[in-house]
Amino acid sequence: KAGVTQTPRYLIKTRGQQVTLSCSPISGHRSVSWYQQTPGQGLQFLFEYFSETQRNKGNFPGRFSGRQFSNSRSEMNVSTLELGDSALYLCASSDPQETQYFGPGTRLLVL
Amino acid sequence: AQSVSQHNHHVILSEAASLELGCNYSYGGTVNLFWYVQYPGQHLQLLLKYFSGDPLVKGIKGFEAEFIKSKFSFNLRKPSVQWSDTAEYFCAVNFQTGANNLFFGTGTRLTVIP
Repeated sequence: KAGVTQTPRYLIKTRGQQVTLSCSPISGHRSVSWYQQTPGQGLQFLFEYFSETQRNKGNFPGRFSGRQFSNSRSEMNVSTLELGDSALYLCASSDPQETQYFGPGTRLLVL
Repeated sequence: AQSVSQHNHHVILSEAASLELGCNYSYGGTVNLFWYVQYPGQHLQLLLKYFSGDPLVKGIKGFEAEFIKSKFSFNLRKPSVQWSDTAEYFCAVNFQTGANNLFFGTGTRLTVIP
């Protein structure tokens, strides 16, 4: 089975811009979660989508949003980028037992 | 508040030494426990998991972990490390509150010297 894929792998943006990241889960997985990884804060949960509905949300500002499509693919969007949004954004898909499998991440640099 | 602690930030071992990495969490309810590994330049990979049953779980690459409920701990062990085990190790907990999100520890960087 193919693993979780994320595009793009690397991205450079400037402050104030917006960005959209994409994630394709493992085939058959209906839950997709997003995490932000930074050296200072570690791995933090952003949100989870299941069957096109946001099921859980972490403590991030409203600039961070996401959605899920009927094929379980998910996107996350960050609007009005700030320098502090520079991070590795990880997507994970869950099997029915809620074991999460992670993709390679998208490394975002905000200048 | 729910939290996960990994007290060892950086561990340096020689090949063939034994490894134990600590993980503690702050919640008295039912939990699902995981260890993930991130090799240099690679993505997070699942090493092992505990949901229920035998508190001693075996994972890939010779790793095992023991769940001690009374100590809120889930320590990772390996009897003899190899240079290829050099990586960052993350403990993660799903606090069974109805939300499928993982709380991660800050990670332990393991360096194995040949």
